[in-house]
Amino acid sequence: GENVEQHPSTLSVQEGDSAVIKCTYSDSASNYFPWYKQELGKRPQLIIDIRSNVGEKKDQRIAVTLNKTAKHFSLHITETQPEDSAVYFCAASINSGYALNFGKGTSLLVTP
Amino acid sequence: GAVVSQHPSRVICKSGTSVKIECRSLDFQATTMFWYRQFPKKSLMLMATSNEGSKATYEQGVEKDKFLINHASLTLSTLTVTSAHPEDSSFYICSARIGGGSETQYFGPGTRLLVL
Repeated sequence: GENVEQHPSTLSVQEGDSAVIKCTYSDSASNYFPWYKQELGKRPQLIIDIRSNVGEKKDQRIAVTLNKTAKHFSLHITETQPEDSAVYFCAASINSGYALNFGKGTSLLVTP
Repeated sequence: GAVVSQHPSRVICKSGTSVKIECRSLDFQATTMFWYRQFPKKSLMLMATSNEGSKATYEQGVEKDKFLINHASLTLSTLTVTSAHPEDSSFYICSARIGGGSETQYFGPGTRLLVL
């Protein structure tokens, strides 16, 4: 089955700096890659997603890049703010099944 | 739009009892619902995929007789933890997919289960 690896497990940045979280996947059939933000005790919230026919997608301070050949995708957060502090999960799924395989998560801390 | 609710938000029960958790899509019809389990400071682990009107598909290692899933309508799926034990204590989260080729999943707020 699909195996999604996520790095780093923890990331601490100063407010205003950029944060980058990287994920790799194993199944070349995966074609949908969402990123979720989860605050403590809350539900995961979709922040951005990308499909395999696109190499990059941006939404304000958040961007995701996808390298299908290397089977990795990354989340980029620019101009980080303290409210960006949370756990971020990457995931991958195959269109036929839609089930998401999650990475282990990255705990991001943005210090003022 | 695309709101998913779960009930209850938290439950404490005695070992050996059964607990039912409901997952509802409030403003859309969910072709598929998923059930995940999340231990503290860990990732979400898919337990099963539930399609309306058909039997759920369970992930390897998940006991279907222990975690009963019913998806009787396009807006409701239930997970029943039968004969719960302390090791079943966890955060159970459902998600729902609109369908029509959309891959986007919307998550419920989760149910925290504590088995004493």
